[in-house]
Amino acid sequence: QVQLVQSRAGVKKPGASVMVSCQASGYTFINYGITWVRQAPGQGLEWLGWISAYNGNTNYAQKFRGRLTMTTDTPASTAYMELTSLTSDDTAVYYCAREDYDSSDSYTRYFDSWGQGTLVTVSS
Amino acid sequence: DIQMTQSPSSLSASVGDRVTITCRASQSINNYLNWYQQRPGKAPNLLIYAASSLQSGVPSRFSGSGSGTDFTLTISSLQPEDLATYSCQQSFTTPYTFGQGTKLEIK
Repeated sequence: QVQLVQSRAGVKKPGASVMVSCQASGYTFINYGITWVRQAPGQGLEWLGWISAYNGNTNYAQKFRGRLTMTTDTPASTAYMELTSLTSDDTAVYYCAREDYDSSDSYTRYFDSWGQGTLVTVSS
Repeated sequence: DIQMTQSPSSLSASVGDRVTITCRASQSINNYLNWYQQRPGKAPNLLIYAASSLQSGVPSRFSGSGSGTDFTLTISSLQPEDLATYSCQQSFTTPYTFGQGTKLEIK
């Protein structure tokens, strides 16, 4: 079955960077994209961006451009999300999710499998 | 960015009740609307995609409808395991945006 396993939680100081990994199994990694979503405590879900596991193309939310980098390691079926210049506002659970789409309508995209989430706490 | 607004923000219903949650987009998104269920302390789970298509493995008591700016998620007969927060999400354009969530409690 499809499974996405994320790296463990961590505490970071303001100004530091964090990298979260997402190891996929149970499907052909390069056939799907990976989306990253975060959820601050008690808040709703926020889309950070997307990476194609096929060719590494990315699409980041404007809000995070300049401090967000998404990469993949295809042989390891693993995606990575790095966020720099952390502030307390970045404290959240970060999720990776597999993005599927309708081949006959590229606007129909949805996140059909999710990692377990990684809590990133930014605190001095 | 497209704003997604859900109502109500919370509701309480009894087992067996019919429950409806609405989601409104700030502009037309055709039918590019997905629904997710998030049980307490867990990751979201896809229920409905493209406004009305039921994701494989999701119970048939869940259904979705709507197009343009107004959408609904319906649970035809509420079950105890439906205790969760439900969120809509548009895939019409990036940044993809989510509603603020509707917290569903069981009476």
